[in-house]
Formats: sequence, structure tokens, C-alpha cells
Amino acid sequence: AAGVIQSPRHLIKEKRETATLKCYPIPRHDTVYWYQQGPGQDPQFLISFYEKMQSDKGSIPDRFSAQQFSDYHSELNMSSLELGDSALYFCASSLALSTIYFGEGSWLTVV
Amino acid sequence: QKEVEQDPGPLSVPEGAIVSLNCTYSNSAFQYFMWYRQYSRKGPELLMYTYSSGNKEDGRFTAQVDKSSKYISLFIRDSQPSDSATYLCAMSADSWGKLQFGAGTQVVVTP
Repeated sequence: AAGVIQSPRHLIKEKRETATLKCYPIPRHDTVYWYQQGPGQDPQFLISFYEKMQSDKGSIPDRFSAQQFSDYHSELNMSSLELGDSALYFCASSLALSTIYFGEGSWLTVV
Repeated sequence: QKEVEQDPGPLSVPEGAIVSLNCTYSNSAFQYFMWYRQYSRKGPELLMYTYSSGNKEDGRFTAQVDKSSKYISLFIRDSQPSDSATYLCAMSADSWGKLQFGAGTQVVVTP
């Protein structure tokens, strides 16, 4: 079965640079969630979108922004990167408000 | 203090034994409860989900929710070495998607 696709899988950026992560939800899923998992930590909810509109917001820094496009894929934009932004970023998708399924994650390393 | 508490382990059991995992929580509004399995450097995989209180069984897995005690459990019967992973509990007050995770319990099943 098709799963949530995230790209790139690995990304290395320098401090103060910008990074963009992409997420392609499971086909027919209309809701996308972004989570951040720091080293040795549990995933933290960042933001979610339902039918291309922001549906909820968690602990997402102001330097980060996200959107969901007409084909339901989503992008997470991170600017002025800091060392503490180094983490595994997960995207998850669901059909409406049903249970969510996670992608494999994108590893961001800020040096 | 975190809203969801989970012993990080590691929890080591011999093959064939029952693995018993649990989480406690403080937010009485939580009513969506999930268990995820996460292998190293991979995305969380949904194992079980329960709405409100009660028990749920699926193959070797049993999930229990006791809202009066603010306590949830996951039992894995006939454990296998392939069950070695980190198990994360997750819960939410208002949806299946905006989740509060526990710290995760590392489980090691030895042959």
C-alpha cells in the first residue's frame, strides 16, 4: 500500500540558511500533520492542514512556515536555521480526522 | 511535568514472554489513545488505537485504557526478536492527529 512520502530524506544546512521539506500524503488523504523529533526526544506536533487550510498549530517557531497545496502535498519551510533545529521531521496524513500514518521522516542537520 | 509519562526503559524480555507497557497522563480531556512502534531512524508505525475507555485486541496486541486512573497499557503476547523497537504511547483531547507523545519505551526481545 502507498505510504506517506517525504523528501529529501537527509538534508545538511548551515546556520542561518533556509530549508524546505516536502510531504506527499497517502492517496485520497486530505489532512497533513508535521512533527519534529529531536535526538532522544518524542515527536512534537508543529502544524496541521485540512483541505489546504491550516487546521491547528503547535509549537512551531515563527521562523517556520508551511502550506498545503491543491494536490494535497505539503511543504515545511524553515528559515534562519539554528543548530537546535537539527531533528527528524515527520509528516503524517489522514483521511479527514481519522487515525494518522507517518512517513519515514526527513533528517535535517544544521552545522 | 509532561502531560504524558512513559518509562523509557530499556525493557528486556526473553522471546515468547509477554511485554507489558504503560503510560500515565494528567489531562483528563484526553480521549483518543494510540500506540506506535518506532524502529531506529524510521517513522512511527500505528499499532493500536482506542477511543475513550476499554480494551481492544488485535492479534498478539492488547490495548487497555483506564480513564478513571489516567492509565493506558499495551500488552504484546508471544514476543519475538522482531518486536524489539521503541514503543510510543500517544493521546489527544480532540483528534487522532494532534498528539501528545510519551517519551517511548525501548523494548529488547532476546532470542
